[in-house]
Amino acid sequence: EAQVTQNPRYLITVTGKKLTVTCSQNMNHEYMSWYRQDPGLGLRQIYYSMNVEVTDKGDVPEGYKVSRKEKRNFPLILESPSPNQTSLYFCASRPGLESEQYFGPGTRLTVT
Amino acid sequence: LAKTTQPISMDSYEGQEVNITCSHNNIATNDYITWYQQFPSQGPRFIIQGYKTKVTNEVASLFIPADRKSSTLSLPRVSLSDTAVYYCLVGEGFQKLVFGTGTRLLVSP
Repeated sequence: EAQVTQNPRYLITVTGKKLTVTCSQNMNHEYMSWYRQDPGLGLRQIYYSMNVEVTDKGDVPEGYKVSRKEKRNFPLILESPSPNQTSLYFCASRPGLESEQYFGPGTRLTVT
Repeated sequence: LAKTTQPISMDSYEGQEVNITCSHNNIATNDYITWYQQFPSQGPRFIIQGYKTKVTNEVASLFIPADRKSSTLSLPRVSLSDTAVYYCLVGEGFQKLVFGTGTRLLVSP
C-alpha cells in the first residue's frame, strides 16, 4: 500500500532532550516536507526537500533540523526541544511540483 | 507568496451543495490552486487542483474566474462525513506552501 509513515505517533518528552521523528514514504517521491499544526494557526511548513541531500527552510524552521540521505526517509530532528514545540507534526511527500501531497498520520509531540 | 483568505466556518445540511470561496488577490502567473480536506487528528487529504476555469473530479468541482483572484470549491450533496476543515493553497511547486487556517465545515442532519 502506498503510504507515508511516521514514528512515533505520540511522544511526551522533556525540555532539552534530543528527539527524532521519522518519516518514510514508499512511493519513490522526490519531494518531502514537514509541517506543524497548532490550534488557530493551521499547518505551517517547517522544512522541505526536493531530492536527496537537498533541503530548504519553510516558514517556521527555527529549532528543527532535517536530513535527506535517502529518497524514502526524511527525519525531523529536535536537538533541544522546548515547550513551544509542542504540536501535531505531519510529514508529506509528492511525486512532482504540481502534484498532490500525501500526508502521514501525524505525530503528536508534547514537550514539558 | 500568495496569501489566501477563507471563511472561518460554514454550516450546511445533508444533501445540500456547499460552496467555499477562497480569495487570493496576489496569485502569481505560475501558481496553482489546490484544496485539501482534513479530519480531526488526520493528515490533510488532496481534493482538487486547478489553474484556471473549471475542474471537476469525482468528489468536487473547482471554479476559477478569469482573473484568478479567487476560487470556489463546490461540494455537491454533502453528507455528514464531509464535516471537516477545508484548506485552499496557492503556490508554485513546493516552496513554502502556506495552508492557512482553513474553513471548518459542519454538516448537520
